[in-house]
Amino acid sequence: GDSVTQMEGPVTLSEEAFLTINCTYTATGYPSLFWYVQYPGEGLQLLLKATKADDKGSNKGFEATYRKETTSFHLEKGSVQVSDSAVYFCALSDFRNQGGKLIFGQGTELSVKP
Amino acid sequence: DVKVTQSSRYLVKRTGEKVFLECVQDMDHENMFWYRQDPGLGLRLIYFSYDVKMKEKGDIPEGYSVSREKKERFSLILESASTNQTSMYLCASSLWAGGSYEQYFGPGTRLTVT
Repeated sequence: GDSVTQMEGPVTLSEEAFLTINCTYTATGYPSLFWYVQYPGEGLQLLLKATKADDKGSNKGFEATYRKETTSFHLEKGSVQVSDSAVYFCALSDFRNQGGKLIFGQGTELSVKP
Repeated sequence: DVKVTQSSRYLVKRTGEKVFLECVQDMDHENMFWYRQDPGLGLRLIYFSYDVKMKEKGDIPEGYSVSREKKERFSLILESASTNQTSMYLCASSLWAGGSYEQYFGPGTRLTVT
């Protein structure tokens, strides 16, 4: 079945460092890909998405490109801030799944130090 | 703004009790979901509903049931709570936007079964 694999955390960076969180997927169809973020004590928020190959999703300085040839959707940010400390989830949704059922990776915790 | 609310942020129940977790969304979304979140496992889908009185099993439905009598409300029921159901429970609703379904999450209910 479909699945998502993320790099393990926690990831600890200094402020203004470059961030990459790797995400790869396995899917039989043509999924949409998402990054969700969970700040401490809160639910998940949609950070960005891409719905077809070579699309780039971007939001709040984060970006990720849908790479069909490598089945990847890596999250990047050029300069992280302390306020980016959170858990990041990569997810996919196959259009055949009614209502957009999501399959999540295990999450990657990011800690940014001043 | 889409708002998904959950009835409790924290809940402590005893083994064998019947537990109700309530979720309400205010945006007339047809699709609603219940996930549980455990460290290292990401989010796993318990049940989802794509219409009133309709429900579909997710990946881990054992020990749970759901009810959707009104479009805005989706309840998760633990018929006889057990300690292995101690977890964070997240509710979500979804709508079609920008070429895919997007899910909106509530803040979560942290359930402890003793």
